Amino acid sequence: DAGVTQSPTHLIKTRGQQVTLRCSPISGHKSVSWYQQVLGQGPQFIFQYYEKEERGRGNFPDRFSARQFPNYSSELNVNALLLGDSALYLCASSLDRPNYGYTFGSGTRLTVV
Amino acid sequence: AQSVTQLGSHVSVSEGALVLLRCNYSSSVPPYLFWYVQYPNQGLQLLLKYTSAATLVKGINGFEAEFKKSETSFHLTKPSAHMSDAAEYFCAVSFLNNNDMRFGAGTRLTVKP
Repeated sequence: DAGVTQSPTHLIKTRGQQVTLRCSPISGHKSVSWYQQVLGQGPQFIFQYYEKEERGRGNFPDRFSARQFPNYSSELNVNALLLGDSALYLCASSLDRPNYGYTFGSGTRLTVV
Repeated sequence: AQSVTQLGSHVSVSEGALVLLRCNYSSSVPPYLFWYVQYPNQGLQLLLKYTSAATLVKGINGFEAEFKKSETSFHLTKPSAHMSDAAEYFCAVSFLNNNDMRFGAGTRLTVKP
């Protein structure tokens, strides 16, 4: 079975641009969560989606949005990029709520210049 | 607030020595506790998790952790360090019906030959 796949692996964007990150969860997992990991820190929760519905949102501005598709894959969108958005964005797949445990993808490294 | 604190941002041990990485949690309800490992430029890999079934939890790669409610701790140990254990380690907590997982700031483990 394939693990959690994220694309792209790396990208560089200019301030003010928009970016879309993609994630495919493990087969059978209905929940996708997104985390932001700034260099030298632990991951910070952005969103959780379950069965295509947003179940939770972290303390991030409205520039951040996400959605989940019928096949349970997900996209994270960030508008009006700031230098501070530079980070590793991690997708986490789980059966249901996080207490079941996550399987993480390898992440997308976003650099904003 | 419900959170985890990792004591020591850097830990250095000699190959073959005991590894001890400390994690304390803050919670008013029963926690689900996790340890993840992150190698450079990769996502997080689950080492082990505590879900109230047993206080001593055995994980992958020879790691184990003990849940001590009286000390609100969930320290990670390995009897004998290997060079391949050098990585960043994260302690995390979640709760039944929560939508997110909260991570500590991480501990970087260095293994000296």
